[in-house]
Amino acid sequence: TQLLEQSPQFLSIQEGENLTVYCNSSSVFSSLQWYRQEPGEGPVLLVTVVTGGEVKKLKRLTFQFGDARKDSSLHITAAQPGDTGLYLCAGRSMNNNAGNMLTFGGGTRLMVKP
Amino acid sequence: DSGVTQTPKHLITATGQRVTLRCSPRSGDLSVYWYQQSLDQGLQFLIQYYNGEERAKGNILERFSAQQFPDLHSELNLSSLELGDSALYFCASSFNPRQRNSPLHFGNGTRLTVT
Repeated sequence: TQLLEQSPQFLSIQEGENLTVYCNSSSVFSSLQWYRQEPGEGPVLLVTVVTGGEVKKLKRLTFQFGDARKDSSLHITAAQPGDTGLYLCAGRSMNNNAGNMLTFGGGTRLMVKP
Repeated sequence: DSGVTQTPKHLITATGQRVTLRCSPRSGDLSVYWYQQSLDQGLQFLIQYYNGEERAKGNILERFSAQQFPDLHSELNLSSLELGDSALYFCASSFNPRQRNSPLHFGNGTRLTVT
């Protein structure tokens, strides 16, 4: 079983602060996705990273895939209350028989206070 | 709106009972996935169907079963319910599981409470 561990589990910060969320595994993934989930809704895809060392930016969010494709980070600059939510990383298996199955991390619950 | 529809939104039932959760995938998507999310936890993969056939199986209990119908909608059946089965159950869809980086589109989930 491939496991993804996210840290921290909970994060409460003030508006304007920067933060980094980590997603780590001992397994190699063919790609990794980050999702954001708000209360009462399903997760929504933010980004997919595929290449080791890849960095993608989405406005104030920066995503990085580790060189060995075992870990990833999400950095948010100048956080806003609208960034509040549950952030989930999800890795896709290297096994071609696993189809499109994703293994999810436990999530980081972020609260940004005004 | 992801285009994935799940019904019902909420379900309250007693231990030992059986329930059926329903999912209509996004128009054009052929693959359906079921995930379970317990309180404050990540999503646990249960099972995946592609064009009516089982494609991958995760940590799905023997008391649980699922199927995908010819019109591509899917049902997740949970039987002999226990208190620990209380959770959010999400359905997601994607066009083709062979497109390995295609995104999953999630519904808004069914919240199951077993009392």
